[in-house]
Amino acid sequence: QVQLVQSGSELKKPGASVKVSCKASGYTFTSYAMNWVRQAPGQGLEWMGWINTNNGNPTYAQGFTGRFVFSLDTSVSTAYLQISSLKAEDTAVYYCAREGSGSYPDYWGQGTLVTVSS
Amino acid sequence: DIQMTQSPSSLSASVGDRVTITCRASQSISSYLNWYQQKPGKAPKLLISAASSLQSGVPSRFSGSGSGTDFTLTISSLQPEDFATYYCQQSYSTPFTFGPGTKVDIK
Repeated sequence: QVQLVQSGSELKKPGASVKVSCKASGYTFTSYAMNWVRQAPGQGLEWMGWINTNNGNPTYAQGFTGRFVFSLDTSVSTAYLQISSLKAEDTAVYYCAREGSGSYPDYWGQGTLVTVSS
Repeated sequence: DIQMTQSPSSLSASVGDRVTITCRASQSISSYLNWYQQKPGKAPKLLISAASSLQSGVPSRFSGSGSGTDFTLTISSLQPEDFATYYCQQSYSTPFTFGPGTKVDIK
């Protein structure tokens, strides 16, 4: 069965960097793009962008350019989200979600809480 | 960017009630509209894709309709496990924006 397993919670200081992983199993990793979605505490869902797992080409939503980087390691079927120069407002749960064949996120990871605090 | 709105933002209902949530897009998105259910501390779960296609394993009391700019999610008979927040999302063009959510709680 399709599974996306994300790395554990992170506590970081402002200015630091964090790398969240999303390991896929149960399907051919390179056949489906991977979305990243942010959810700040008590807030709604925000689409950050996605990455083409076939060629590694990322697309970032406005507001997620510069400090946010999507990457892949196809040898281990894993997608990554790296955030640099962390700010308090980056505190959120970050989800990876597979882009299904019908053009919608169908399977989601369990989420990774990133807390930025001094 | 396409803006998504939902109404109501919250509602209180009883078990057995019929519940309807509305989602509106700022421009036509054809049928590229998805509905998600999210419970506290959990990842969103896809309920309906392409406006009206029920995902495998999702109870038939959930249904979706609409096209263009106006869409609805209907729960025909609310069950205790349906108390959650519901989000619509357009997958017509990037960025794939979500609606602000509708929280369904117990009356």
